[in-house]
Amino acid sequence: EAAVTQSPRSKVAVTGGKVTLSCHQTNNHDYMYWYRQDTGHGLRLIHYSYVADSTEKGDIPDGYKASRPSQENFSLILELASLSQTAVYFCASGTAETEQFFGPGTRLTVL
Amino acid sequence: GDSVTQTEGPVTVSESESLIINCTYSATSIAYPNLFWYVRYPGEGLQLLLKVITAGQKGSSRGFEATYNKETTSFHLQKASVQESDSAVYYCALASNSNNRIFFGDGTQLVVKP
Repeated sequence: EAAVTQSPRSKVAVTGGKVTLSCHQTNNHDYMYWYRQDTGHGLRLIHYSYVADSTEKGDIPDGYKASRPSQENFSLILELASLSQTAVYFCASGTAETEQFFGPGTRLTVL
Repeated sequence: GDSVTQTEGPVTVSESESLIINCTYSATSIAYPNLFWYVRYPGEGLQLLLKVITAGQKGSSRGFEATYNKETTSFHLQKASVQESDSAVYYCALASNSNNRIFFGDGTQLVVKP
Protein backbone atom coordinates (compact mmCIF):
# COMPACT_ATOMS: atom_id res chain seq x y z
CA GLU A 1 0.00 0.00 0.00
CA ALA A 2 1.35 3.37 -1.03
CA ALA A 3 2.25 5.48 1.97
CA VAL A 4 4.34 8.20 3.51
CA THR A 5 6.25 7.19 6.61
CA GLN A 6 8.24 9.34 8.99
CA SER A 7 10.89 8.56 11.55
CA PRO A 8 11.19 9.06 14.37
CA ARG A 9 7.60 9.61 15.44
CA SER A 10 8.72 11.49 18.48
CA LYS A 11 12.01 13.00 19.55
CA VAL A 12 13.45 15.02 22.39
CA ALA A 13 16.53 17.03 21.49
CA VAL A 14 18.79 19.39 23.36
CA THR A 15 19.32 22.98 22.37
CA GLY A 16 22.24 23.27 19.98
CA GLY A 17 22.14 19.64 19.01
CA LYS A 18 21.66 18.24 15.51
CA VAL A 19 18.35 16.65 14.57
CA THR A 20 17.49 14.73 11.43
CA LEU A 21 13.92 13.88 10.54
CA SER A 22 13.40 11.30 7.83
CA CYS A 23 10.59 10.76 5.37
CA HIS A 24 10.03 7.89 2.98
CA GLN A 25 7.30 7.57 0.38
CA THR A 26 6.20 4.64 -1.72
CA ASN A 27 3.76 6.70 -3.81
CA ASN A 28 6.18 7.22 -6.69
CA HIS A 29 5.53 10.96 -6.43
CA ASP A 30 7.89 13.58 -7.74
CA TYR A 31 7.05 16.23 -5.15
CA MET A 32 7.88 16.02 -1.46
CA TYR A 33 7.32 18.60 1.27
CA TRP A 34 8.20 19.36 4.87
CA TYR A 35 5.77 21.36 7.01
CA ARG A 36 5.71 22.35 10.62
CA GLN A 37 2.65 22.84 12.71
CA ASP A 38 2.49 24.80 15.93
CA THR A 39 -0.43 24.56 18.30
CA GLY A 40 -3.32 26.63 17.04
CA HIS A 41 -1.75 27.30 13.69
CA GLY A 42 -1.93 25.83 10.28
CA LEU A 43 0.82 24.06 8.40
CA ARG A 44 3.73 26.16 7.25
CA LEU A 45 6.01 25.03 4.46
CA ILE A 46 9.69 24.70 5.34
CA HIS A 47 11.27 23.05 2.29
CA TYR A 48 10.09 21.11 -0.69
CA SER A 49 11.51 19.20 -3.60
CA TYR A 50 10.24 18.29 -7.05
CA VAL A 51 13.14 16.10 -8.12
CA ALA A 52 15.87 14.06 -6.47
CA ASP A 53 19.06 15.90 -5.56
CA SER A 54 17.28 19.24 -5.56
CA THR A 55 15.45 21.15 -2.82
CA GLU A 56 13.66 24.47 -2.64
CA LYS A 57 12.99 26.87 0.20
CA GLY A 58 9.47 27.25 1.44
CA ASP A 59 8.06 30.01 3.58
CA ILE A 60 10.06 29.41 6.77
CA PRO A 61 13.41 27.80 5.79
CA ASP A 62 15.63 29.57 8.32
CA GLY A 63 17.28 27.12 10.71
CA TYR A 64 16.46 24.11 8.51
CA LYS A 65 18.16 22.24 5.72
CA ALA A 66 16.68 19.58 3.49
CA SER A 67 18.08 16.68 1.52
CA ARG A 68 16.49 14.62 -1.25
CA PRO A 69 18.93 11.82 -2.09
CA SER A 70 16.34 9.80 -4.01
CA GLN A 71 12.78 10.08 -5.19
CA GLU A 72 11.59 8.10 -2.17
CA ASN A 73 13.50 9.88 0.60
CA PHE A 74 13.41 13.42 1.92
CA SER A 75 15.12 14.51 5.12
CA LEU A 76 14.83 17.62 7.24
CA ILE A 77 17.94 18.64 9.17
CA LEU A 78 18.20 20.97 12.11
CA GLU A 79 21.91 21.68 12.48
CA LEU A 80 21.54 23.64 15.73
CA ALA A 81 18.19 22.89 17.30
CA SER A 82 16.52 25.73 19.17
CA LEU A 83 13.59 25.95 21.56
CA SER A 84 11.53 27.71 18.91
CA GLN A 85 11.73 24.62 16.71
CA THR A 86 9.58 22.59 19.07
CA ALA A 87 6.63 21.60 16.89
CA VAL A 88 5.02 18.76 15.00
CA TYR A 89 6.59 18.14 11.61
CA PHE A 90 4.74 16.65 8.68
CA CYS A 91 6.15 15.25 5.50
CA ALA A 92 4.02 14.94 2.38
CA SER A 93 4.33 13.71 -1.18
CA GLY A 94 2.34 14.94 -4.13
CA THR A 95 1.42 14.56 -7.76
CA ALA A 96 1.24 16.94 -10.67
CA GLU A 97 -2.46 17.31 -9.90
CA THR A 98 -1.42 18.95 -6.59
CA GLU A 99 -3.09 16.58 -4.14
CA GLN A 100 -0.73 15.82 -1.25
CA PHE A 101 -0.45 12.72 0.91
CA PHE A 102 0.81 13.13 4.44
CA GLY A 103 2.86 11.13 6.86
CA PRO A 104 1.76 10.67 10.50
CA GLY A 105 3.95 13.47 11.81
CA THR A 106 6.96 13.74 14.11
CA ARG A 107 6.60 15.47 17.44
CA LEU A 108 9.87 17.27 18.19
CA THR A 109 10.58 18.73 21.59
CA VAL A 110 13.71 20.82 22.04
CA LEU A 111 14.81 21.34 25.63
CA GLY B 1 -0.26 36.07 -1.85
CA ASP B 2 -2.47 33.02 -1.62
CA SER B 3 -4.19 32.43 1.70
CA VAL B 4 -7.05 30.69 3.41
CA THR B 5 -9.14 31.81 6.38
CA GLN B 6 -11.41 29.43 8.24
CA THR B 7 -13.60 29.27 11.32
CA GLU B 8 -11.58 29.51 14.48
CA GLY B 9 -11.96 26.54 16.76
CA PRO B 10 -12.76 24.72 18.78
CA VAL B 11 -16.23 24.15 17.46
CA THR B 12 -18.37 22.01 19.77
CA VAL B 13 -21.44 20.29 18.41
CA SER B 14 -23.70 17.61 19.83
CA GLU B 15 -24.03 14.32 18.01
CA SER B 16 -26.66 14.33 15.23
CA GLU B 17 -26.60 18.12 14.98
CA SER B 18 -25.62 19.92 11.79
CA LEU B 19 -22.22 21.47 11.18
CA ILE B 20 -20.77 24.24 9.09
CA ILE B 21 -17.13 25.30 9.09
CA ASN B 22 -16.54 28.44 7.08
CA CYS B 23 -13.66 28.84 4.67
CA THR B 24 -12.78 31.77 2.45
CA TYR B 25 -9.78 32.02 0.21
CA SER B 26 -7.66 34.58 -1.54
CA ALA B 27 -5.80 33.47 -4.64
CA THR B 28 -3.41 35.77 -6.45
CA SER B 29 -1.26 33.22 -8.28
CA ILE B 30 -4.15 31.52 -10.04
CA ALA B 31 -7.69 32.60 -10.91
CA TYR B 32 -9.44 29.35 -10.00
CA PRO B 33 -7.34 27.32 -7.59
CA ASN B 34 -8.07 23.74 -6.65
CA LEU B 35 -9.70 23.67 -3.21
CA PHE B 36 -9.42 21.01 -0.55
CA TRP B 37 -10.61 19.97 2.85
CA TYR B 38 -8.17 17.86 4.81
CA VAL B 39 -8.86 16.18 8.16
CA ARG B 40 -6.52 15.15 10.92
CA TYR B 41 -7.77 12.56 13.36
CA PRO B 42 -6.03 12.27 16.74
CA GLY B 43 -2.63 10.64 16.42
CA GLU B 44 -2.72 10.54 12.64
CA GLY B 45 -1.46 12.61 9.75
CA LEU B 46 -3.61 14.77 7.53
CA GLN B 47 -5.74 12.98 5.01
CA LEU B 48 -7.73 14.36 2.15
CA LEU B 49 -11.43 14.59 2.91
CA LEU B 50 -12.60 16.11 -0.35
CA LYS B 51 -11.46 18.28 -3.19
CA VAL B 52 -13.07 20.38 -5.90
CA ILE B 53 -11.18 21.64 -8.92
CA THR B 54 -13.99 23.32 -10.84
CA ALA B 55 -15.71 26.49 -9.70
CA GLY B 56 -19.39 25.94 -9.03
CA GLN B 57 -19.01 22.25 -8.32
CA LYS B 58 -19.66 20.41 -5.07
CA GLY B 59 -17.47 17.80 -3.48
CA SER B 60 -18.64 15.24 -0.96
CA SER B 61 -17.19 12.50 1.20
CA ARG B 62 -18.23 10.67 4.38
CA GLY B 63 -21.37 12.79 4.60
CA PHE B 64 -19.45 16.07 4.33
CA GLU B 65 -20.04 18.51 1.49
CA ALA B 66 -18.38 21.67 0.23
CA THR B 67 -19.27 23.86 -2.74
CA TYR B 68 -16.73 25.92 -4.64
CA ASN B 69 -18.20 29.43 -4.82
CA LYS B 70 -16.02 31.72 -6.90
CA GLU B 71 -18.30 34.73 -6.42
CA THR B 72 -17.88 34.75 -2.67
CA THR B 73 -14.47 32.97 -2.79
CA SER B 74 -15.76 30.48 -0.26
CA PHE B 75 -15.60 26.73 0.28
CA HIS B 76 -17.58 26.03 3.43
CA LEU B 77 -17.69 22.53 4.86
CA GLN B 78 -21.07 21.19 5.90
CA LYS B 79 -22.55 18.05 7.36
CA ALA B 80 -26.18 17.47 8.17
CA SER B 81 -25.68 15.16 11.13
CA VAL B 82 -22.31 14.77 12.83
CA GLN B 83 -21.08 11.74 14.71
CA GLU B 84 -18.71 11.47 17.61
CA SER B 85 -16.16 9.87 15.26
CA ASP B 86 -16.05 13.13 13.27
CA SER B 87 -14.11 14.76 16.10
CA ALA B 88 -10.90 15.92 14.46
CA VAL B 89 -9.15 18.99 13.11
CA TYR B 90 -10.31 20.16 9.69
CA TYR B 91 -8.14 22.19 7.33
CA CYS B 92 -9.27 24.15 4.33
CA ALA B 93 -6.60 24.53 1.66
CA LEU B 94 -5.98 25.83 -1.82
CA ALA B 95 -3.44 24.77 -4.40
CA SER B 96 -1.24 27.35 -6.00
CA ASN B 97 -0.01 26.87 -9.54
CA SER B 98 3.54 27.32 -8.33
CA ASN B 99 5.36 24.03 -7.82
CA ASN B 100 2.25 22.27 -6.56
CA ARG B 101 2.19 24.25 -3.37
CA ILE B 102 -0.79 24.04 -1.07
CA PHE B 103 -1.75 26.81 1.34
CA PHE B 104 -3.55 25.73 4.48
CA GLY B 105 -5.87 27.50 6.83
CA ASP B 106 -5.13 27.35 10.55
CA GLY B 107 -7.41 24.38 11.08
CA THR B 108 -10.67 24.09 12.98
CA GLN B 109 -10.91 21.63 15.82
CA LEU B 110 -14.29 19.94 15.89
CA VAL B 111 -15.49 18.36 19.11
CA VAL B 112 -18.63 16.26 18.86
CA LYS B 113 -20.31 15.56 22.18
CA PRO B 114 -22.20 12.29 22.59
